Amino acid sequence: KAGVTQTPRYLIKTRGQQVTLSCSPISGHRSVSWYQQTPGQGLQFLFEYFSETQRNKGNFPGRFSGRQFSNSRSEMNVSTLELGDSALYLCASSSDIVASPLHFGNGTRLTVT
Amino acid sequence: AQTVTQSQPEMSVQEAETVTLSCTYDTSESDYYLFWYKQPPSRQMILVIRQEAYKQQNATENRFSVNFQKAAKSFSLKISDSQLGDAAMYFCALNNAGNMLTFGGGTRLMVKP
Repeated sequence: KAGVTQTPRYLIKTRGQQVTLSCSPISGHRSVSWYQQTPGQGLQFLFEYFSETQRNKGNFPGRFSGRQFSNSRSEMNVSTLELGDSALYLCASSSDIVASPLHFGNGTRLTVT
Repeated sequence: AQTVTQSQPEMSVQEAETVTLSCTYDTSESDYYLFWYKQPPSRQMILVIRQEAYKQQNATENRFSVNFQKAAKSFSLKISDSQLGDAAMYFCALNNAGNMLTFGGGTRLMVKP
């Protein structure tokens, strides 16, 4: 089985721009969640999508949004980028089973200049 | 709100020796799950071991085992016969709501040959 695929692996953007990150889950997984990892704040939960609906949301501003498509692929969008948005963004997928382990992708490294 | 604390930012161990990484957590829920994830330089988070809170028996996966003390809210990871490939960041995580993980700050494990 192919793992979780995130694209692109690296991104460099300028303050004020917007960015879209993509995540393809493991085949058959309907839950996709996103995490932000920074040296200062560590790993923080952004949101989770299940069957195209946002099921959980972390404590991030409205500039961070996401969506999930019918094939379970998910995108995350950040608008009006700030320097503090520079981070590693990790996507994870899991099956429907309660608290089944998350399977993570390799992440997208976003640098905002 | 739940919290996860890893009090050891860095640990080192001699190859073939045993090391224990500490983790404490706080949650008001009685039903939850605990995980240890490993993040090597490749950035991909890899599940090491999982523990259901309702299970008294400590989880074991080959050279990895946990010491789960529910009353003390402690969840340490023991790595036996350490190998060079075990060098990585290790994160303790708590799940008690869907697929929202709360992570600790991580422990960097170095393995000396």
